[in-house]
Amino acid sequence: EPEVTQTPSHQVTQMGQEVILRCVPISNHLYFYWYRQILGQKVEFLVSFYNNEISEKSEIFDDQFSVERPDGSNFTLKIRSTKLEDSAMYFCASSGADRLSSPLHFGNGTRLTVT
Amino acid sequence: QKEVEQNSGPLSVPEGAIASLNCTYSDRVSQSFFWYRQYSGKSPELIMSIYSNGDKEDGRFTAQLNKASQYVSLLIRDSQPSDSATYLCAVKMNYGGSQGNLIFGKGTKLSVKP
Repeated sequence: EPEVTQTPSHQVTQMGQEVILRCVPISNHLYFYWYRQILGQKVEFLVSFYNNEISEKSEIFDDQFSVERPDGSNFTLKIRSTKLEDSAMYFCASSGADRLSSPLHFGNGTRLTVT
Repeated sequence: QKEVEQNSGPLSVPEGAIASLNCTYSDRVSQSFFWYRQYSGKSPELIMSIYSNGDKEDGRFTAQLNKASQYVSLLIRDSQPSDSATYLCAVKMNYGGSQGNLIFGKGTKLSVKP
């Protein structure tokens, strides 16, 4: 069964450093998402991406965040200058053609630890 | 503010019993409803989706939707210890420029005792 893959599984970085989290969505999916989950809290929407542009973003997704689809398969989340409060699990997800009914399929996540 | 509410639990049931998980949502334009299971430290895993009022069964799982009451539930029959996890209710809303983003509840922690 096709799946969303994320790398790395765990990333440790120092405050102020840039990190890039990588994702390979399911190949025939059209919508791509990033979510995050701070330890013990709920899964929160960050950004959605369709047709090579951001379609929606949350208040969390401020100027320090950016997303890119550099080629036909990868989807990346960049955090320019990490803060302690960016420590969380980051999940990439993708969904099929029907944006309202297609479920999101999640990758295994990247645990980001900012020290 | 569009919200999805769940009782955080923990909900404890004996093995073989029926576990009942509930969720309410605040927005009447919500279109699609999903239940995900999340084991500790892992990613959300899709269990079921439901789009119209009534019941939908898949194996030991039954999802129930009542749009008038803005209520969705998940029943797990013959609960097993392996069902012990956090169950996330998630809603896709159709409004304005929304691209079908999932809004999650905080999740209900289920513990099935052998």
